Order: sequence, then structure tokens, then C-alpha cells
Amino acid sequence: NAGVMQNPRHLVRRRGQEARLRCSPMKGHSHVYWYRQLPEEGLKFMVYLQKENIIDESGMPKERFSAEFPKEGPSILRIQQVVRGDSAAYFCASSTTGENSPLHFGNGTRLTVT
Amino acid sequence: QQQVKQSPQSLIVQKGGISIINCAYENTAFDYFPWYQQFPGKGPALLIAIRPDVSEKKEGRFTISFNKSAKQFSLHIMDSQPGDSATYFCAATGGTYKYIFGTGTRLKVLA
Repeated sequence: NAGVMQNPRHLVRRRGQEARLRCSPMKGHSHVYWYRQLPEEGLKFMVYLQKENIIDESGMPKERFSAEFPKEGPSILRIQQVVRGDSAAYFCASSTTGENSPLHFGNGTRLTVT
Repeated sequence: QQQVKQSPQSLIVQKGGISIINCAYENTAFDYFPWYQQFPGKGPALLIAIRPDVSEKKEGRFTISFNKSAKQFSLHIMDSQPGDSATYFCAATGGTYKYIFGTGTRLKVLA
């Protein structure tokens, strides 16, 4: 009974490098969401994707951040040229439908930028 | 208008006591209010949720109380146990996929 799978669990990158975070949704879920959690803060919506489509990326910075959910394979959140302020926990969630559907979260990827 | 305000920031309760966490919202379009529990190093896990057509929902030791007119909802944990020590987040959404989360309450239950 696999839940939402995220990898890696921890990722350390130097400033200027690229970070690539992966998320496989729960079986049967076709809606994927990425949230960011800063220390001592709640989760902030970043992007909502369905297979091969970005539905809403309004919470994602316009520069350096991108997300995809290809027909085959996991969803990818990509952060180019990372800066120290990108250090955070990034959580992926999935759901069966897009509206008022319970979100099921993975255990997150903790990104540290040195 | 998109904020969900959560209090207190931290809470210490004796074993067997009642833990109460409060949230307030402004957007009257919100119609689904879940609570999530998060242990260190883990992702948030859905605990219990309520829709505004009822004023209370109970699941085991966990109860959500909902006051539509005051735009407030709260989580009550009865007979709190050390294993309940975690961070709790309230959230709200209104017919969309975009959840608005509170800032979290760190609960510690003393043995």
C-alpha cells in the first residue's frame, strides 16, 4: 500500500547548482501538488499538475523553478541555480480529483543549499 | 482574505488532558476544513476534516468544532497522550484544489 513517494529525502546543493525533486503519487491518483514548508511555517502551495499538464503554477516563483508531470514517470520539481533562500522542505501531495479532495502527502525532500 | 490564522503556536498538555487548537478564516467561500498531523521528519497526515453543514465531527479522541457564523473551527484532542506530540495544521479550501494552511501548532503532551 504505497503512499506518495518522494526522493531524495535529503538533498544538499551548493549555491548555483540545480536541484531535482521527484514525486510518485499514490496509486490511482492523477493529481499532483507541490508545497513548500519553511521552518516554523505552514505549507505554501506552489504548483498543481495533472498528467502532462500544469494546471496552476501561481504559487511557484517565475524564475528558476519549474515542474512537470510526464505521461510516464514521476512528477519533477526542478530548481535551477539554487540560492540559500531555497532551503526548505518540499512536499508533494496527490489526490483522486482536483476539488475538495483529501490531499495525501509524501514525507518530503529537505533541501539544504550551502 | 486567503489567510487561515492558527493559535496557539505551541501547547503543552498533561497526559490525559484536553488539547485545543483554534483556527479562524475570512473567506466565506471556504467549504472544506481538514486538520493535518505532522511528526518530525514526516509529511502531514490527514487527521480529520469537516464541511460547514455540520457543527461538530468526532473521530475517536479527535473532535472538530465548527462555528460558521464566527468563521472559526477548532480541534479538540481528548485524553491527550504522549504519542499525540506533533505539529498540527489546520487548512481550508473552497471548491478548489488550493489548500490554505495555518502556521501550525506544536503540541507536547507530558507523560
